[in-house]
Amino acid sequence: KAGVTQTPRYLIKTRGQQVTLSCSPISGHRSVSWYQQTPGQGLQFLFEYFSETQRNKGNFPGRFSGRQFSNSRSEMNVSTLELGDSALYLCASSSGGGQGAKNIQYFGAGTRLSVL
Amino acid sequence: GQNIDQPTEMTATEGAIVQINCTYQTSGFNGLFWYQQHAGEAPTFLSYNVLDGLEEKGRFSSFLSRSKGYSYLLLKELQMKDSASYLCAVRDSGGYNKLIFGAGTRLAVHP
Repeated sequence: KAGVTQTPRYLIKTRGQQVTLSCSPISGHRSVSWYQQTPGQGLQFLFEYFSETQRNKGNFPGRFSGRQFSNSRSEMNVSTLELGDSALYLCASSSGGGQGAKNIQYFGAGTRLSVL
Repeated sequence: GQNIDQPTEMTATEGAIVQINCTYQTSGFNGLFWYQQHAGEAPTFLSYNVLDGLEEKGRFSSFLSRSKGYSYLLLKELQMKDSASYLCAVRDSGGYNKLIFGAGTRLAVHP
């Protein structure tokens, strides 16, 4: 079974630009979550999508948005990039069961974004 | 607020046992996860606890006490390949798959 695939692996952008990152979950998984990882803040939750709907959102500005397609693939968009957006962006997929379910999240290798 | 604390760094010797502690204060709780992350790689799932007690999986065990807001990850028979960061994460009770992560513990295993 293929794992979580994120593309691209590396990106270099300049301030003010926008960027779109892609995540293909494990086959059969319906939930996709996005996290930002930086040396100073660690891993921080951005948002989760389940069945094409945003189910939960972290404390990030509106410049960070996402969507999920009918095949469960997800994209994350960051508009008007700032230097502080430089980070590793990780996507994780899970089966997406209810609150009582184990719902282990499996992570992709991430997209490393550098904003110059 | 949400707060998860773990030691920043630990060192241990190959073949030994090491315990990585995690304390948490979160507004809700629906399970605690441990992940391993090697430098430059994705976090990989190690263990999950939702009820008090010990979960054992090979060389790795994880313990949870919900009343104390405390968990630990126990690694036995340490190998060089266990040198990595270990991340403790609490799942928010109202947030389905929202994981709140600690800063991680960087473990160095020496021969």
